[in-house]
Amino acid sequence: DTEVTQTPKHLVMGMTNKKSLKCEQHMGHRAMYWYKQKAKKPPELMFVYSYEKLSINESVPSRFSPECPNSSLLNLHLHALQPEDSALYLCASSPGLGGGNEQFFGPGTRLTVL
Amino acid sequence: DAKTTQPNSMESNEEEPVHLPCNHSTISGTDYIHWYRQLPSQGPEYVIHGLTSNVNNRMASLAIAEDRKSSTLILHRATLRDAAVYYCIPKGGSEKLVFGKGTKLTVNP
Repeated sequence: DTEVTQTPKHLVMGMTNKKSLKCEQHMGHRAMYWYKQKAKKPPELMFVYSYEKLSINESVPSRFSPECPNSSLLNLHLHALQPEDSALYLCASSPGLGGGNEQFFGPGTRLTVL
Repeated sequence: DAKTTQPNSMESNEEEPVHLPCNHSTISGTDYIHWYRQLPSQGPEYVIHGLTSNVNNRMASLAIAEDRKSSTLILHRATLRDAAVYYCIPKGGSEKLVFGKGTKLTVNP
């Protein structure tokens, strides 16, 4: 299995809702990532997990809460989002963190906040 | 993070070779040069990476200048499926993959 899966594919939520995005990989990778991509812009890193511990938080607002329950799963909990948070949320994984490690990306969850 | 300069867009014809350039003059000695591409409505896809020597894989070739300040991604025979935004990204020991604006490649039939 050489892919990263993300659910759901699409999500529409109100500003008062709580929802979660899920990401899964079964490649034995020890690093997992969340990126945010606005329309016609490049992906921007949000969080990095290494060996199930949060390694990098790129000053992301607390309404985004990541969780890594085990080495195969990565969640992004969403609460009290704003319409400007509407974007494509991408998950990725890599075998490790060094410069020679390539990242494998999922197809993304397209989030719309009303 | 090393800064990169790529053309905003390039065009190619199907079945012709494509050379996508990237300047990364501030690259550090231990940074690998990664290339990713993103097809419309999909997540980015790893293409190739290298450190000093030229690299080949089933998707593409990577030519790295001797001074490592530039590199070229070579698609040997472009297909319509290769139409995408191509990102050149120097990556060192840090966990970060910092995407620039990339080059939008159009492939004409």
